[in-house]
Amino acid sequence: RKEVEQDPGPFNVPEGATVAFNCTYSNSASQSFFWYRQDCRKEPKLLMSVYSSGNEDGRFTAQLNRASQYISLLIRDSKLSDSATYLCAANAGKSTFGDGTTLTVKP
Amino acid sequence: GAGVSQSPSNKVTEKGKDVELRCDPISGHTALYWYRQSLGQGLEFLIYFQGNSAPDKSGLPSDRFSAERTGGSVSTLTIQRTQQEDSAVYLCASSQGRPTDTQYFGPGTRLTVL
Repeated sequence: RKEVEQDPGPFNVPEGATVAFNCTYSNSASQSFFWYRQDCRKEPKLLMSVYSSGNEDGRFTAQLNRASQYISLLIRDSKLSDSATYLCAANAGKSTFGDGTTLTVKP
Repeated sequence: GAGVSQSPSNKVTEKGKDVELRCDPISGHTALYWYRQSLGQGLEFLIYFQGNSAPDKSGLPSDRFSAERTGGSVSTLTIQRTQQEDSAVYLCASSQGRPTDTQYFGPGTRLTVL
């Protein structure tokens, strides 16, 4: 079993839709959590950190549930430009990444 | 400021040759990571440096792979006797070294073994 698991998708949604991704982690010593975005043939870039209280950045909301050991990312009013692969990461001294969830937003 | 840089950006080599991939982390970042990503796949952790030491090299797939970091800065990943299955993008990332710190990725080196 992978230490960080994500539904690979693909998620195909129309513009304006709300889409949610979940990610589970198995290492209970994980201290910090992140969502990264990776465009095709590009390196991953930080989208947002995930805090215990939940945090929001514009159309993006990240949540952490330590008891159930999962993190989530909610994208509201999705745009064509949101099409990418979204990677979650859990850090217990070093970051471990999930394999990513692919999102395609269609007109 | 300058981000993580990697060189070369692309490398084509023949099976059996050795290759060296270089990573220049962000200045002042003590932690440095190497990952491998095959086409359409997730990130495969290779090795992690804290300063010049490598507390976790558990991801190196075979003894043909080695990495070093000198002066707490530049790192070199060496693959000896390359095989076709080594073809992938090799990504380097650096962070300030605390568990809560974000990793910043370089653009990667695309390795093709013919």
